[in-house]
Amino acid sequence: AQKVTQAQTEISVVEKEDVTLDCVYETRDTTYYLFWYKQPPSGELVFLIRRNSFDEQNEISGRYSWNFQKSTSSFNFTITASQVVDSAVYFCALSAASTGTASKLTFGTGTRLQVTL
Amino acid sequence: GAGVSQSPSNKVTEKGKDVELRCDPISGHTALYWYRQSLGQGLEFLIYFQGNSAPDKSGLPSDRFSAERTGGSVSTLTIQRTQQEDSAVYLCASSLGSSGHFTGELFFGEGSRLTVL
Repeated sequence: AQKVTQAQTEISVVEKEDVTLDCVYETRDTTYYLFWYKQPPSGELVFLIRRNSFDEQNEISGRYSWNFQKSTSSFNFTITASQVVDSAVYFCALSAASTGTASKLTFGTGTRLQVTL
Repeated sequence: GAGVSQSPSNKVTEKGKDVELRCDPISGHTALYWYRQSLGQGLEFLIYFQGNSAPDKSGLPSDRFSAERTGGSVSTLTIQRTQQEDSAVYLCASSLGSSGHFTGELFFGEGSRLTVL
């Protein structure tokens, strides 16, 4: 079975602080994908990143960076110099072929990030 | 339209009534998903359609829930004899889909908020 754990329910930071959102996953598959989605107040989830299990290189996109470590089954997301517009619920997700379809995502419970001035 | 469109955006119904939620995916996307987001919970997979293949219904919580997709495009999620625990946001997503490994991303609609009194 697949499982994604986001232990941080809510995080509150002041603008310009760095913040890391944790994600720990469980799967027996050797081939899988990890995702981060952002859900702003409008409700529409927005895709941020996809990483496959064979690519452990960390990725940076502007103020966003992702740290994938297979040894600890973690895929953490860091926002540098946070801004008020980063306030949202962030979901980590996993897909693996053993779910019956590699397209079926298993989501974590989300981390609500509140960035204040 | 350019994105995934869902209707109604809000639905309030009385316990025991049937409801229908509609999803209009992005044109050309062969894969369509329904997820449910309950307060404080992650996204719970309900059902997945891929082209003309039989849908993956493994996530439907009871036989009161059903979904169909007509003409490979619009989908309707039907909940019969609604219960208060059905209250949630029902999210639809579409993707280009694939017969093999999942390499794409999901595009979500803004959801239909269902409240059962």
